Amino acid sequence: GAGVSQSPSNKVTEKGKDVELRCDPISGHTALYWYRQRLGQGLEFLIYFQGNSAPDKSGLPSDRFSAERTGESVSTLTIQRTQQEDSAVYLCASSLASYRDYNEQFFGPGTRLTVL
Amino acid sequence: AQSVSQHNHHVILSEAASLELGCNYSYGGTVNLFWYVQYPGQHLQLLLKYFSGDPLVKGIKGFEAEFIKSKFSFNLRKPSVQWSDTAEYFCAVSGNTPLVFGKGTRLSVIA
Repeated sequence: GAGVSQSPSNKVTEKGKDVELRCDPISGHTALYWYRQRLGQGLEFLIYFQGNSAPDKSGLPSDRFSAERTGESVSTLTIQRTQQEDSAVYLCASSLASYRDYNEQFFGPGTRLTVL
Repeated sequence: AQSVSQHNHHVILSEAASLELGCNYSYGGTVNLFWYVQYPGQHLQLLLKYFSGDPLVKGIKGFEAEFIKSKFSFNLRKPSVQWSDTAEYFCAVSGNTPLVFGKGTRLSVIA
């Protein structure tokens, strides 16, 4: 497809389990971003990739969160030992080049994570 | 650190009413400013953006926003709303970091 895709669309897990969320950016987009949207809150920036490297991990809330990107394409956000406060919609976005070069970010539909 | 404030949590308007949603940001450097919209059941879409030049920016679906540097504001306006404008609207700023979003304003347009 032409847009950013994310999977799964919904994930329900038990507290303490690990989860992996996947993002497929728009083909050719070198920059990729992860955001989190908790209920009633704005979107929080988590991490940014330029190519396969992550120059900005400042938004990751704890060491339970990690992300990787391979082949300048797919990215996976992993949350270990999930907690109830991790429940949120996780959004991925991609852009043609760095946000510093005034590039628009295109968003995926999100993954709704519920931790019981 | 950058931050974005959206003053209205929920706005209810009748069709054909005029709309103005407030957005203020805090960042002293050069900024790029955005309004995103999320229609029910859909993902975030760009409504309009300001990078430089004319501070009055026109976007899709008749929306416009004005960048007032002295007020650190980027308010969204539409002269006459339609029922189909019912959605959540997010203001966002990009300065020295990727996008920082406001908490969003839910717009409900009633017939």
